[in-house]
Amino acid sequence: AQTVTQSQPEMSVQEAETVTLSCTYDTSESDYYLFWYKQPPSRQMILVIRQEAYKQQNATENRFSVNFQKAAKSFSLKISDSQLGDAAMYFCAYRFQGAQKLVFGQGTRLTINP
Amino acid sequence: DAGVIQSPRHEVTEMGQEVTLRCKPISGHNSLFWYRQTMMRGLELLIYFNNNVPIDDSGMPEDRFSAKMPNASFSTLKIQPSEPRDSAVYFCASSFRGWDGTQYFGPGTRLLVL
Repeated sequence: AQTVTQSQPEMSVQEAETVTLSCTYDTSESDYYLFWYKQPPSRQMILVIRQEAYKQQNATENRFSVNFQKAAKSFSLKISDSQLGDAAMYFCAYRFQGAQKLVFGQGTRLTINP
Repeated sequence: DAGVIQSPRHEVTEMGQEVTLRCKPISGHNSLFWYRQTMMRGLELLIYFNNNVPIDDSGMPEDRFSAKMPNASFSTLKIQPSEPRDSAVYFCASSFRGWDGTQYFGPGTRLLVL
């Protein structure tokens, strides 16, 4: 069974600094998608970034980028120039090509210190 | 474009009462998902529909839970009778199956059963 592990329950960073959130996953599939979702205190689940496993290039969305290491089954999220509004729970999620179910990690709570 | 719409946003009820949660997916999306989020169990997929047809309801905790999707723009999740352990945040998400299947979440319904 596919599993997603986020080994950092909590992280904190100074405003304007860079932080990296870790995610590893276990799968025997070769075609799949990986996602990072953000859940601020409002509890809305917001898509931050997604990565197709067949693409070697790491996805980037403004200040958010990923380091996708397929062989290592690692999918970390880097947030540059951290802002107070980035404070949230961040969930890593996996879905393989032939399925619709998302498998979520346990989440990492990110705190931004002013 | 309007995102996924859920109602009510908050619901407080007494044990034994019937609870109905509602969801309107993003127009054009053909898959709809119901999730439950608790501190103990994280995010759990309860059921999902493709083209209004229930595909996998293996996550529905017990017979007290039921879900329907009478048309492409509306779905309900019903709990009857409700119990305190059903207290959670319930999310609806939708996606367009056939492309990358990225799921977009609604704001959630926070349910408290007293």
